[in-house]
Amino acid sequence: DVVMTQSPLSLPVTLGQPASISCRSSQSLVYSDGNTYLNWFQQRPGQSPRRLIYQVSNRDSGVPDRFSGSGSGTDFTLKISRVEAEDVGVYYCMQGTHWPWTFGQGTKVEIK
Amino acid sequence: EVQLVESGGGLVQPGGSLRLSCAASGFTFSDYYMSWVRQAPGEGLEWVANINPEGTEDYCVDSVKGRFTASRDNAKNSLFLQMNSLRADDTAVYYCARSAYGSAVNPWGQGTLVTVSS
Repeated sequence: DVVMTQSPLSLPVTLGQPASISCRSSQSLVYSDGNTYLNWFQQRPGQSPRRLIYQVSNRDSGVPDRFSGSGSGTDFTLKISRVEAEDVGVYYCMQGTHWPWTFGQGTKVEIK
Repeated sequence: EVQLVESGGGLVQPGGSLRLSCAASGFTFSDYYMSWVRQAPGEGLEWVANINPEGTEDYCVDSVKGRFTASRDNAKNSLFLQMNSLRADDTAVYYCARSAYGSAVNPWGQGTLVTVSS
């Protein structure tokens, strides 16, 4: 199985400051069709997960533009340009290139 | 509005069985792969199973293979997860989600809690 490794696992941030989460995969996530199926999910406390980013860098509808995704191959990053209070929660990277689809361990974002 | 509503969770003894359901509305159910994802208490997310739009192929993660089976009824816009030989480590909230292009599409269901304990 593809192992997804996130860092850091805990991320205290100051409101209005940027935040960055790294995700590394144990294999390349480039699929045979040329696409890279790397996604980012947010899970706020007590809520179901929701997808923020798909195929590395595409924001889902309704996702604020302070969220951005980048990367290629095996190294990926989720950035929040200016953290707001509503961004508190756990963030997961997830690969959908190789079965079984797998998630990272999660990064808990909290306000300092 | 897209809605996914899971049901069927509860308390079951080790070795027992449970069938989860997911009622879908607001989209053309038969156009989508569907998935089950679970989350043990206080833990991260684990993909459990996918099923193709026709319901002819399902894919399960190794930890549940041979014990869990995903199925669907496109006429009733419903997804199911038959869980047999349940173990304590199957205790989790189970979410259903639409899937497309290597991902789960928003929104997810609210989840249903399965507790395996004697």
